[in-house]
Order: sequence, then structure tokens, then C-alpha cells
Amino acid sequence: GAGVSQSPSNKVTEKGKDVELRCDPISGHTALYWYRQSLGQGLEFLIYFQGNSAPDKSGLPSDRFSAERTGGSVSTLTIQRTQQEDSAVYLCASSGQLGLQETQYFGPGTRLLVL
Amino acid sequence: DAKTTQPNSMESNEEEPVHLPCNHSTISGTDYIHWYRQLPSQGPEYVIHGLTSNVNNRMASLAIAEDRKSSTLILHRATLRDAAVYYCILKETSGSRLTFGEGTQLTVNP
Repeated sequence: GAGVSQSPSNKVTEKGKDVELRCDPISGHTALYWYRQSLGQGLEFLIYFQGNSAPDKSGLPSDRFSAERTGGSVSTLTIQRTQQEDSAVYLCASSGQLGLQETQYFGPGTRLLVL
Repeated sequence: DAKTTQPNSMESNEEEPVHLPCNHSTISGTDYIHWYRQLPSQGPEYVIHGLTSNVNNRMASLAIAEDRKSSTLILHRATLRDAAVYYCILKETSGSRLTFGEGTQLTVNP
């Protein structure tokens, strides 16, 4: 079946512009995660959705970052007034089984470059 | 968060076994040990997980020390496609997120 998909695969934007990144999880997966991977910072958690609610958004680096999920499926990560330090690969993951044995399935990521 | 310690890098030759170590001396009794890997220019992918007993699947084996303070991911016959960063992660009761460390960069030589 189809895996996690993300769009766009690459995004180049100018400093100060807003960007929207999209994630389509595996069908039926109730949990959805956003992570960010930047040079020198490794892979860091941003936000977690269970259904349409976000019980853990503690990883969002600033109030310029927000995310929503509608219909328990597609999620959008929005970065307002982008800064150069926002340049990174943004990864989405989904899972259908919560708990200590949960397996997360990752998408290919969106590579964001802020000029 | 419980921490894991892995070597920064390891090398192997193609078709030879690879043993990737991970130390997690502060692991609690209910933490699961998960391994993910990330191939170049791809998102991470799940490899294997376990609690106390050794585990085998089609990708790898996981050997867990009796005191659970360390574990070893075993690739039985490395291929060039196994060249990746391997992450050892503790899945804790406190949350659903995965906390990635630096991982081990595995190089496989032909």
C-alpha cells in the first residue's frame, strides 16, 4: 500500500515569506508526527497529533510554527515569516498503533531552503 | 529522557556480519529498545524493537543484554544498501515521540 507522502519534496523561499508543508499519512493511521532534521542539529521532534488534536506540541521552536490536521488525515505544517535557520528537512511520520511497541513510518521529507 | 550512546561510525565489508552496539545504562524496566535507520536522502525506517528477549526479523536481529543496559543490532550479511545511519532509541512511557541521538554511520565496503 501507499506509504507516507509529503509535498512539496523541495521548497526554496525567501526570508520573511510563509510556507506550508503537507503530509499525507498512511490511510487509517491515527497518530501523526512532524520532525525536523537540520545540519548540526540532528533529528528533532516538533509536534504530535492523535486524530485532529495535538496533545504534544512542545517541540515547535517558536510561535512562527503551527500545524493542523483535518479529518484525522492530512496535516499541514505552516512556518510564518521564515528565517534562514528554518532551512532543514521536515519529516512526517504516522503510526497506527500507539504505545511502547509503536512503529512510526516516515515520509521522504520536504527539503526547505530559506534564502 | 533516557539516553543512548552509540559509536559515531563503523565500517564493514560486504557480505560480512555487522554488530552495532548501543549503551543505555539508565533504561527503566518498561522502556522498549527500538532501532531505526536512515538511508541517504530518505526518511528514517523502522528496523526492529525489543524489551528483554532477543528478537529476529527479516532485516536484522536484536541482542539485548541480560541487565538491559546495552543492546546490539546485528546485520547478518551486510550489503551496500545497508549503508545508513543507525539510531538506537528508547521508547518510554512518558510520551509518543521518538528521541533521536547522533546514531552510528555505517559504511559498507564492496
